[in-house]
Amino acid sequence: QQPVQSPQAVILREGEDAVINCSSSKALYSVHWYRQKHGEAPVFLMILLKGGEQKGHEKISASFNEKKQQSSLYLTASQLSYSGTYFCGTERDGYNTDKLIFGTGTRLQVFP
Amino acid sequence: DTEVTQTPKHLVMGMTNKKSLKCEQHMGHRAMYWYKQKAKKPPELMFVYSYEKLSINESVPSRFSPECPNSSLLNLHLHALQPEDSALYLCASYSEETQYFGPGTRLLVL
Repeated sequence: QQPVQSPQAVILREGEDAVINCSSSKALYSVHWYRQKHGEAPVFLMILLKGGEQKGHEKISASFNEKKQQSSLYLTASQLSYSGTYFCGTERDGYNTDKLIFGTGTRLQVFP
Repeated sequence: DTEVTQTPKHLVMGMTNKKSLKCEQHMGHRAMYWYKQKAKKPPELMFVYSYEKLSINESVPSRFSPECPNSSLLNLHLHALQPEDSALYLCASYSEETQYFGPGTRLLVL
């Protein structure tokens, strides 16, 4: 039931791009994306509610393909501050995040 | 104020102790959550409170007992824990398509 993320780890130089994928074996109601830095709590990035929806702020955006039951997070022109572990969270039932299941995680490291 | 606060930040307890974790938010959010996170693993949902009522219990052992005294406050009472319960315990609240996590309580059970 846990969403599977790929790749498991990414190493980038500043300015490079990355894509993180999140796939579920079950139908999805919504997809959330979080970033967690070492020793800190997860920080909410965005939520996608509809199939085909795309969202973004600054150089981080995401898409949600409802039919394929997957979502992708796009990191453009990466910065050192993007380093951390990225989790998708998927919600299979109804309203809001009453049952949010986190994905396996993708560890991203950005070097100068 | 978009902050969720948690106390204490760190807690060390023996297997016979009773302790409580506290979580507070003053954003008027109707849903509050407890998660457990082990090192290098994703957060695992433990409990969900919706409008101060327990709506989800993810088959958590009874040595963990949640309580929601009011809409701003969430407690997690701990009793007779095991060393494998050592983890980061995260509280979160949700409203308007945004989830806010507290900084967590790092728990060590000896």
